[in-house]
Amino acid sequence: SQKIEQNSEALNIQEGKTATLTCNYTNYSPAYLQWYRQDPGRGPVFLLLIRENEKEKRKERLKVTFDTTLKQSLFHITASQPADSATYLCARPSGSGGYNKLIFGAGTRLAVHP
Amino acid sequence: DAGVIQSPRHEVTEMGQEVTLRCKPISGHDYLFWYRQTMMRGLELLIYFNNNVPIDDSGMPEDRFSAKMPNASFSTLKIQPSEPRDSAVYFCASSESGRSIIETQYFGPGTRLLVL
Repeated sequence: SQKIEQNSEALNIQEGKTATLTCNYTNYSPAYLQWYRQDPGRGPVFLLLIRENEKEKRKERLKVTFDTTLKQSLFHITASQPADSATYLCARPSGSGGYNKLIFGAGTRLAVHP
Repeated sequence: DAGVIQSPRHEVTEMGQEVTLRCKPISGHDYLFWYRQTMMRGLELLIYFNNNVPIDDSGMPEDRFSAKMPNASFSTLKIQPSEPRDSAVYFCASSESGRSIIETQYFGPGTRLLVL
């Protein structure tokens, strides 16, 4: 079955530094990967999507990469701010017939300290 | 648009009681998803609908769980009888289909359920 693995340990960084979060997947490469942000007490919010044939995608201070050789996606937040503190979830389509069915990783909690 | 609406936001009940969670998807979205989130298991898909029809309910834990979507603007997730291990946050999400196979899911605020 398809799996998504994210570092379950919290990531603590200083304000202004670049945060890098890792998402590893198993089996065949998905057609795309999605990244969501989740704040405490709220539902996940979509941030970025990167397709299999894209090496890199950017949106403001966010950057996502997709390495099909390593079976890995990296999520970067540059010039991080305390407001970026949240849990970040990686998701892939299950590939088992329903392309709308997403499998989510456990998420990585990011804490940006002033 | 108000986004995905869920009610109640919090529910505390006793073991054995029936629990009904409600969801109103974003207007025009034809996919609706029910998820459960716990610390131990993360975010798990329970069931999803397309045009009000259940497509995949393989994530529904057991017969105590049931979901319906009587129309395009309303869905319920029912647990009967509830058990303490059902305590979790339940999310509803919706998305729209289009020419692209890639859909973004929009999540509601969730219902925090505690079964005593």
